[in-house]
Amino acid sequence: EPEVTQTPSHQVTQMGQEVILRCVPISNHLYFYWYRQILGQKVEFLVSFYNNEISEKSEIFDDQFSVERPDGSNFTLKIRSTKLEDSAMYFCASSEALAGYTDTQYFGPGTRLTVL
Amino acid sequence: DAKTTQPPSMDCAEGRAANLPCNHSTISGNEYVYWYRQIHSQGPQYIIHGLKNNETNEMASLIITEDRKSSTLILPHATLRDTAVYYCIVRRSGGGFKTIFGAGTRLFVKA
Repeated sequence: EPEVTQTPSHQVTQMGQEVILRCVPISNHLYFYWYRQILGQKVEFLVSFYNNEISEKSEIFDDQFSVERPDGSNFTLKIRSTKLEDSAMYFCASSEALAGYTDTQYFGPGTRLTVL
Repeated sequence: DAKTTQPPSMDCAEGRAANLPCNHSTISGNEYVYWYRQIHSQGPQYIIHGLKNNETNEMASLIITEDRKSSTLILPHATLRDTAVYYCIVRRSGGGFKTIFGAGTRLFVKA
């Protein structure tokens, strides 16, 4: 069964450093998403991406964040200068987005980001 | 997107059916009911979704009331591995709409 994969599973970084979180969405999917979950809190939407453009972003997704689909398979989230409060689990998701159908989002296993 | 209300926690005996309720009284006609679960800090796992008819798949059944203002997720024979947080989400159909997670119901399946 196809699934969303994410690397690395755990990333430790120093405050102020740049990190790139990687995701491989399900191959025929067209919409891609990033969510995050701070320990003990709800899963929060960050951004959605379609046709090489951001479709929607939350207020969390400020200028420190960027997303990219550098090739036909990867989808990345970059945090330019990490802060302590960026420590969280980051989940990538993808959906097929067929016209006229519901659009189920499938989530990856997550990357645990720890900022020291 | 419509707001949902779920009990914060529930217990279920192993082997029995787990019935998880959800209220979504402000649901709109073009909004679907989705259920996901999250085991520990793993990624949310899709379970099932429906519009107005009852749905069943290999994991669960979804019963939606006729007025669509509430629904129940049924795990027919709960196992210890079903212990998780279960999220009831109402979302429009079509691509790109964000999924808004609430606090969900923490289901404890006990031996």
